[in-house]
Amino acid sequence: DAMVIQNPRYQVTQFGKPVTLSCSQTLNHNVMYWYQQKSSQAPKLLFHYYDKDFNNEADTPDNFQSRRPNTSFCFLDIRSPGLGDAAMYLCATRRSTGQAYEQYFGPGTRLTVT
Amino acid sequence: KQEVTQIPAALSVPEGENLVLNCSFTDSAIYNLQWFRQDPGKGLTSLLLIQSSQREQTSGRLNASLDKSSGRSTLYIAASQPGDSATYLCAVRMNYGGATNKLIFGTGTLLAVQP
Repeated sequence: DAMVIQNPRYQVTQFGKPVTLSCSQTLNHNVMYWYQQKSSQAPKLLFHYYDKDFNNEADTPDNFQSRRPNTSFCFLDIRSPGLGDAAMYLCATRRSTGQAYEQYFGPGTRLTVT
Repeated sequence: KQEVTQIPAALSVPEGENLVLNCSFTDSAIYNLQWFRQDPGKGLTSLLLIQSSQREQTSGRLNASLDKSSGRSTLYIAASQPGDSATYLCAVRMNYGGATNKLIFGTGTLLAVQP
């Protein structure tokens, strides 16, 4: 089945130790998103790629970076994780052509910072 | 600035009951509205997508309606089951900002269906 895949599902890192989360998709969607979700809150958009164009949200900390080497893969890099960065990180995709613009989410990566 | 609100924040019902979840938004210039389900510790699963020109969408026991002029959407769940227990999120995509416009999420409704 076509889907959005996130690895790993659970990630533990130490305070200040760089970590990379990955997302891949078989939907061939040209738009990919990264969200941060903390407990009992709605997902918060960090940034998105429209094709190769990177769009950062104004309030996304510089500590968060992203790479999209090709259509299928997108990475979230946290350069120096703090305790406040512990959260669920969600990847999502959608097509920008056609009518629906339905957005699909991956299962998420739960990040713990010790 | 668009604001999306969901009422109630939490709901507990006995199994078999029909129920309605509410979503309201302040700016009616939406492109579409999407309902999601989220199980604890999991990602979001898309349930229904309603375009701004549509009034409702149905999938199995789920029916979502949209009244754009009044800024409201409802998600109707028929014959609820314990497996329906989850958080339900609505999100709107605005009709300005071009193809890069983003989803704006509501606050969510935590549903518990008691066996």
